[in-house]
Amino acid sequence: NAGVTQTPKFQVLKTGQSMTLQCAQDMNHNSMYWYRQDPGMGLRLIYYSASEGTTDKGEVPNGYNVSRLNKREFSLRLESAAPSQTSVYFCASSIAPTDYYGYTFGSGTRLTVV
Amino acid sequence: DAKTTQPNSMESNEEEPVHLPCNHSTISGTDYIHWYRQLPSQGPEYVIHGLTSNVNNRMASLAIAEDRKSSTLILHRATLRDAAVYYCIPVFGNEKLTFGTGTRLTIIP
Repeated sequence: NAGVTQTPKFQVLKTGQSMTLQCAQDMNHNSMYWYRQDPGMGLRLIYYSASEGTTDKGEVPNGYNVSRLNKREFSLRLESAAPSQTSVYFCASSIAPTDYYGYTFGSGTRLTVV
Repeated sequence: DAKTTQPNSMESNEEEPVHLPCNHSTISGTDYIHWYRQLPSQGPEYVIHGLTSNVNNRMASLAIAEDRKSSTLILHRATLRDAAVYYCIPVFGNEKLTFGTGTRLTIIP
């Protein structure tokens, strides 16, 4: 049982390059989330998908786009990377987007933009 | 959103109980209290959550004050693998998890 799988684990981009971070879950969860974590800070929500076919902005959506490809997969795209997007990105999933259910997180993608 | 206050850091000896406090004085009557932890270089991990009464699971216990303005996560017998940042997160309805900076727990061998 893999849980939440994120690829790649590490990535270095040049300013202005684009890339897509991939996330897949095998727990039949309905809701998925993308967070970023900057050094010494808590996680901040970028985008989420309450269910297949829906996506919504979180706290820090600027510079990102997302796609809920199917129930299992939720990707995060950086169209034109900036140094301010250097961070660790975490994907998570939950059974449903309510307070009763816990989230399962992936191990993260460490992104550096130079 | 309910605001939380946690100590920045705590230390505990290995094999002793650890009590991690959290104040959430602005919590509403229907906010669940979630606890997560983040081990070094890993994503957060769900620990436990509760609403009013105390809760136990294989990882920890959660003691919730009667007025719900504070809670305490209890690790009954700390091991070196429990060294992590612990986050206390009140959640209401369809709100998403909002992480503060948590408490960094150091376990002393």
